[in-house]
Order: sequence, then C-alpha cells, then structure tokens
Amino acid sequence: SQTIHQWPATLVQPVGSPLSLECTVEGTSNPNLYWYRQAAGRGLQLLFYSVGIGQISSEVPQNLSASRPQDRQFILSSKKLLLSDSGFYLCAWSAPWGRESDEQYFGPGTRLTVT
Amino acid sequence: AQSVTQLGSHVSVSEGALVLLRCNYSSSVPPYLFWYVQYPNQGLQLLLKYTTGATLVKGINGFEAEFKKSETSFHLTKPSAHMSDAAEYFCAVSFLYSGGGADGLTFGKGTHLIIQP
Repeated sequence: SQTIHQWPATLVQPVGSPLSLECTVEGTSNPNLYWYRQAAGRGLQLLFYSVGIGQISSEVPQNLSASRPQDRQFILSSKKLLLSDSGFYLCAWSAPWGRESDEQYFGPGTRLTVT
Repeated sequence: AQSVTQLGSHVSVSEGALVLLRCNYSSSVPPYLFWYVQYPNQGLQLLLKYTTGATLVKGINGFEAEFKKSETSFHLTKPSAHMSDAAEYFCAVSFLYSGGGADGLTFGKGTHLIIQP
C-alpha cells in the first residue's frame, strides 16, 4: 500500500532563517506531487505541483521554492522565512495522469511557526 | 477559473440531527468534486468524490453528497450526526487538462462542524 511521510511534524524558526520541509511517498512510482499551505481561516492554497523529476509548477509567487530531486521526494524550501510563512504545510500525491489521477492523498502535515 | 464556496465557516448541530454542509462551485469545464475531512493537526482524508456517473455519491462514515449541475452544488449530508464527526470539512474541485498532467485541487475555505451533545 502507498504511504506518504512528511517531516518534521512541527518547526519553529526565526524570521530570516532558511527552511527545508521534506515529503516522501512509498508504494507507487511517478506520482504527481503537491505542496499546499493552510493558513488559519483561509483554507488550503496550492503552492507547487510536480508531474515528474525536476518538473515544478508554481501556483503562487512567493519566497518559497520546491524541488523534486527523486521520483518520490518533494522538498519545500525558503532562503529567508517571513512571518507570513507561518502555517500548516501539507504534501499530497496522486497517481500519474490517466490512472485515477483526480484523487489526492495527503500527508500528516508540518506545522511551521515563524517567530 | 475554478472556485469553490462553502457557505458557513461554522455549522453546529445536535448529536443525532441531520448534517448539511453546503458547497457551490464554478468551473469552465465539467468538474471533479471532492469532500475531505480534517481532524485537528492532521492531514486531509477523502470522504467521497464525484467524477462521472451517478450524481448521488456515498462516502465513508455515513456521509453522502449529490452533484447538481443545474445548481452548481455538491452539498454534503449525513442523516444522524455523531460526536466523532466534529472536524473541519473541505469541498474541492479539479479537472484534468486534456493535454495531460494533473492540476492541484481548488479548495473551499472549510466548514468547522460542531456537534452539540
């Protein structure tokens, strides 16, 4: 069966520090991968998605970036965090296009607090 | 552009009462529609989805939703609320581009369901 992991579970970082959040998927190959951010009272916002290694699409311009160095690894980064980067970050995966790729499966999330 | 509107950021019902969470969408092409549930500090879990076919969709935990194209709605219902249903509920829409690949889901802002004993 497929599983999705995110770490760390919680993170407290000062303004201006770098960020690296990692997401890995097991039990599937060539998944579509997604990063979402959930801010209080604002629902979920799609940040990035990837359909393959090295292929990243950005939905919202910001000081965050994403990379996909391996097929089942998705990393969210920032060089300098802002207070507004605080939130709950969720990684998700879906099967490659053409195979029920409409359904997404979510990881447990990372709670980021920027102080 | 796609959008999702969930009416009511908070809905409170008594245990045993009907649960109705409202969702309306806009989409330029036939949508795929989803309801997800989120318990505190956890990821999202799929409750049910509509892609094609039967417009009344049954999901987990006794929930169901009906796709009404004429009303552009996909309301979530459960006949009898249970205390364990207290959570955040998200409606979402997506569609597949004909050129391949998958876009992310567009989510509503969520509805917090409160169950009164």
